[in-house]
Amino acid sequence: KQEVTQIPAALSVPEGENLVLNCSFTDSAIYNLQWFRQDPGKGLTSLLLIQSSQREQTSGRLNASLDKSSGRSTLYIAASQPGDSATYLCAVVTGANNLFFGTGTRLTVIP
Amino acid sequence: NAGVMQNPRHLVRRRGQEARLRCSPMKGHSHVYWYRQLPEEGLKFMVYLQKENIIDESGMPKERFSAEFPKEGPSILRIQQVVRGDSAAYFCASSHARDRGRNEQFFGPGTRLTVL
Repeated sequence: KQEVTQIPAALSVPEGENLVLNCSFTDSAIYNLQWFRQDPGKGLTSLLLIQSSQREQTSGRLNASLDKSSGRSTLYIAASQPGDSATYLCAVVTGANNLFFGTGTRLTVIP
Repeated sequence: NAGVMQNPRHLVRRRGQEARLRCSPMKGHSHVYWYRQLPEEGLKFMVYLQKENIIDESGMPKERFSAEFPKEGPSILRIQQVVRGDSAAYFCASSHARDRGRNEQFFGPGTRLTVL
């Protein structure tokens, strides 16, 4: 059974700092991995999608990497801003075509 | 191009009543997924549907819960005889049909169900 773990559960950093969020999954037979952002009381915003054949994806200040064989992904956020404060969720798609989510990392960027 | 739409955004029901949650996928998407987020827990898959078909309902509770995605109209998640433990945020997502397993899923804003 697929299990997705995110570390740390919560993180506070001063504005301008670069940071890394970690995601690990137990079953490496995935089709893709998505990183989402969730603001309090809101829905999910897709940030990056990495196909299983890819190693990384970049969008603006965000860079996500995928090491499928070791069951790990990282989300790198450069030059963090207060507006980046949110919960970041990692999710993988297996053959069943549904997403398995981690429990998220709650990020606070302090002005 | 409107995104995934869900309504109502907030729903309050008393124990024993029925709850109906609606989801309209993005234009051109024929795959719909429902997820539930219980308080202080992660999102959990419930059901995956295509038009007029349930593809995977392995995450659905065995009783009181049902889902449909008719040929015309939105997808409906129906919860009969609600109990307090059903209080949660219910999210719908949609994706393209072209490449199973590789499609990005786009999420709606969710319906927050409160059972009194």
